Amino acid sequence: QLQLQESGPGLVRPSETLSLMCTVSGGSISSGSHYWGWIRQPPGKGLEWIGSVFYSGHTNYNPSLKSRVTISIDTSKNQFSLRLSSLTAADTAVYFCARVKSVTMTLNVWGPGTMVTVSS
Amino acid sequence: QSALTQPASVSGSPGQSITISCTGTSSDVGGYNFVSWYQQHPGKAPKLIIYDVSTRPSGVSDRFSGSKSGNTASLTISGLQAEDEADYYCGSYTRISTLVLFGGGTKLTVL
Repeated sequence: QLQLQESGPGLVRPSETLSLMCTVSGGSISSGSHYWGWIRQPPGKGLEWIGSVFYSGHTNYNPSLKSRVTISIDTSKNQFSLRLSSLTAADTAVYFCARVKSVTMTLNVWGPGTMVTVSS
Repeated sequence: QSALTQPASVSGSPGQSITISCTGTSSDVGGYNFVSWYQQHPGKAPKLIIYDVSTRPSGVSDRFSGSKSGNTASLTISGLQAEDEADYYCGSYTRISTLVLFGGGTKLTVL
């Protein structure tokens, strides 16, 4: 059974860069039929799509975050990662990674999420 | 790009049926049969309960059903149970840049 697990710091300082990792187990990240995506959810608010990466390295990003986001993939380690720069308090959120069915963009497997707080 | 539009809250009594709407545009909900619905309990990750407008993943109760008319998709939950109390989000493919749009979420209260 495919599982995803986010990892990274729970607290980061304003203006710094957040780095999160998503480790995939129980299946290969090199699937040609799925993207691998990041989503976030500020406390008490709704879901926000951040972006995704294909096994080939092709990416797509939410235009509102595009200037600050980098998503990359390491197929040898079955992992993909998120980097978000120039952090502010508005970036405080639970960050989820997910498997995304290509074409339909259905998020069919989610990680449990990791809380990230931006504060000095 | 605007999020899809959902009602902020809905409620119903055990055994009743409720419907949650999700309104988009012809660039997303109305243009493709790629609408999905997610259930989220407090402190948990979202869980896929409907995809491709009306298909249920294996293991999801048949009390959950989905449909679409024009630019609006709907999630219906029949025979409401206490465990259905949660937040529900719609999602859709969009042909405009971001590829994925979410609704703002609907809080379901089982009275």
